[in-house]
Amino acid sequence: DQQVKQNSPSLSVQEGRISILNCDYTNSMFDYFLWYKKYPAEGPTFLISISSIKDKNEDGRFTVFLNKSAKHLSLHIVPSQPGDSAVYFCAASESGAAGNKLTFGGGTRVLVKP
Amino acid sequence: DTGVSQDPRHKITKRGQNVTFRCDPISEHNRLYWYRQTLGQGPEFLTYFQNEAQLEKSRLLSDRFSAERPKGSFSTLEIQRTEQGDSAMYLCASSPDLLNADTQYFGPGTRLTVL
Repeated sequence: DQQVKQNSPSLSVQEGRISILNCDYTNSMFDYFLWYKKYPAEGPTFLISISSIKDKNEDGRFTVFLNKSAKHLSLHIVPSQPGDSAVYFCAASESGAAGNKLTFGGGTRVLVKP
Repeated sequence: DTGVSQDPRHKITKRGQNVTFRCDPISEHNRLYWYRQTLGQGPEFLTYFQNEAQLEKSRLLSDRFSAERPKGSFSTLEIQRTEQGDSAMYLCASSPDLLNADTQYFGPGTRLTVL
């Protein structure tokens, strides 16, 4: 039972263009969503988060959009840079459940071409 | 802020041996989590501590696995009688104790290879 899904295993984008990563979830109790970036042999690095009371959150080049009715969120990276090449994980948590443990998607590998 | 640290970064062991990993969370964070990540998958929750109390364990955590956080600071994860299926990246994360959802910060992980 995969509660968080990232249906695109990989994404290739030209430097300077927009990267759009998608994530779907099935558990309606999730109320906090996060995106992490991971380089090989390193732990996930927090990028941006959004609470279910919002539908958009921006931080520099990163914007996360949440569509609760569709149980869908997306991460936009504009403009994409070669250093953005990594695996991106979407994660979700339910407030109060196991200390807000995170449920992760399977990841999307992003390659930004110079 | 030194971030979350984990030791060792890599461990190679033979099947049947015991291994122990250590995690040092961010100093002011009361919550500590262990996750496991296998190749091509996202991290999966194993267990969680609120200060020194272990409050939840995943079904993934068989009886060969034990975790402790004796003084509410660092934590250890021990795997007894390792099996090849235990080969994975073991990740530790910490977060502050907030009423609402909060961000978890991850360490670099310990890569375990069981031969």
